[in-house]
Amino acid sequence: GAVVSQHPSWVICKSGTSVKIECRSLDFQATTMFWYRQFPKQSLMLMATSNEGSKATYEQGVEKDKFLINHASLTLSTLTVTSAHPEDSSFYICSAMRLRLAGGETQYFGPGTRLLVL
Amino acid sequence: DQQVKQNSPSLSVQEGRISILNCDYTNSMFDYFLWYKKYPAEGPTFLISISSIKDKNEDGRFTVFLNKSAKHLSLHIVPSQPGDSAVYFCAASLDLYNTDKLIFGTGTRLQVFP
Repeated sequence: GAVVSQHPSWVICKSGTSVKIECRSLDFQATTMFWYRQFPKQSLMLMATSNEGSKATYEQGVEKDKFLINHASLTLSTLTVTSAHPEDSSFYICSAMRLRLAGGETQYFGPGTRLLVL
Repeated sequence: DQQVKQNSPSLSVQEGRISILNCDYTNSMFDYFLWYKKYPAEGPTFLISISSIKDKNEDGRFTVFLNKSAKHLSLHIVPSQPGDSAVYFCAASLDLYNTDKLIFGTGTRLQVFP
């Protein structure tokens, strides 16, 4: 089946530092990847759509200068949380779109990255 | 405004019995619905889906029912197994063929006990 990986799986950092999270599609190419965040006991909230070779599309309320997204290849998207603060502590999950045999596309999710900002 | 709602935050079911997880939505334009299963500290795993032109889709122990008039869908797991214990999210998409904008519910934590 489709596999999407994320690295690192967890990270602890000091307030003010930047953290980069990688999302890779391991056995398929994905022109579109997505970044979500999930707070405890809450739903997954889409942050941005990452498009290979072009700028990411951010959802309303998500600061593009704080959450930098780069989709440098068809198998890699990165999310950089710049100048992280404790309120950025969350579970970040990426997904990648893969074509379905029956037509259309389906999102496959990575295992997530837990970020704790001290 | 929560367009996809899972009103039961948790459900506890005995092994071998049926688990029924419910999901309600408000947008009648949703065209495709998905269920994801999520273990702690892991990303969601796609489980089963249904398009708006159907009212039932079955895959092994998992069956999803869709009632468009009531804007309600449910996931039935039978028989339930301890390994099914996880958080289940329902999600909706406006486009059957392009599920880039998934709207997720808040999830239901299922616990299957022996």
